[in-house]
Amino acid sequence: AQKITQTQPGMFVQEKEAVTLDCTYDTSDPSYGLFWYKQPSSGEMIFLIYQGSYDQQNATEGRYSLNFQKARKSANLVISASQLGDSAMYFCAMRAHSNDMRFGAGTRLTVKP
Amino acid sequence: KAGVTQTPRYLIKTRGQQVTLSCSPISGHRSVSWYQQTPGQGLQFLFEYFSETQRNKGNFPGRFSGRQFSNSRSEMNVSTLELGDSALYLCASSLAGQGSGLNTEAFFGQGTRLTVV
Repeated sequence: AQKITQTQPGMFVQEKEAVTLDCTYDTSDPSYGLFWYKQPSSGEMIFLIYQGSYDQQNATEGRYSLNFQKARKSANLVISASQLGDSAMYFCAMRAHSNDMRFGAGTRLTVKP
Repeated sequence: KAGVTQTPRYLIKTRGQQVTLSCSPISGHRSVSWYQQTPGQGLQFLFEYFSETQRNKGNFPGRFSGRQFSNSRSEMNVSTLELGDSALYLCASSLAGQGSGLNTEAFFGQGTRLTVV
């Protein structure tokens, strides 16, 4: 069975600073994909970044990067140069052989001016 | 290309009633998943349909059911509503299972907010 754990219910970061949101996962599948989504207060789910289990390099998308440590089964999201608009819920998710996507409980990020 | 459409956006129901929610996926997507989102619980997986067949199921009681039609539109039904069923119900569609690999992004609708009173 797949399991995603996000241990930080809430995080605060000062504007323009970097922040790391933690995600650990558990799966027996050798092949899987890891995703991060952002959910602003408006409710829509916005895809941010993807990391494949066989990818050798950490994924990056603009100010988002994924710190992938396969042996530790962790896939932390790093947001650089935080902006006020980054305040939102952030969800880590995984897709494995079963094809469905499972999510963690989420982390609420608040960016302070 | 139209996104994922969920109807209705808001619902208020009374305990004991039943409710049906609808989801129209992105054109060409055959996989539709349903999630229940409550504060502190994240997105709890309900079930996933692919080409009219339930392919995966989460850990929810039998009061929660779903189906998918030949045009990939999906409905989920909750019978004998309980107060604890109050939540945001999200539907997502993707190309998962259509040869696209594990990196297939899920596209979400705006959700249906169900309030049970």
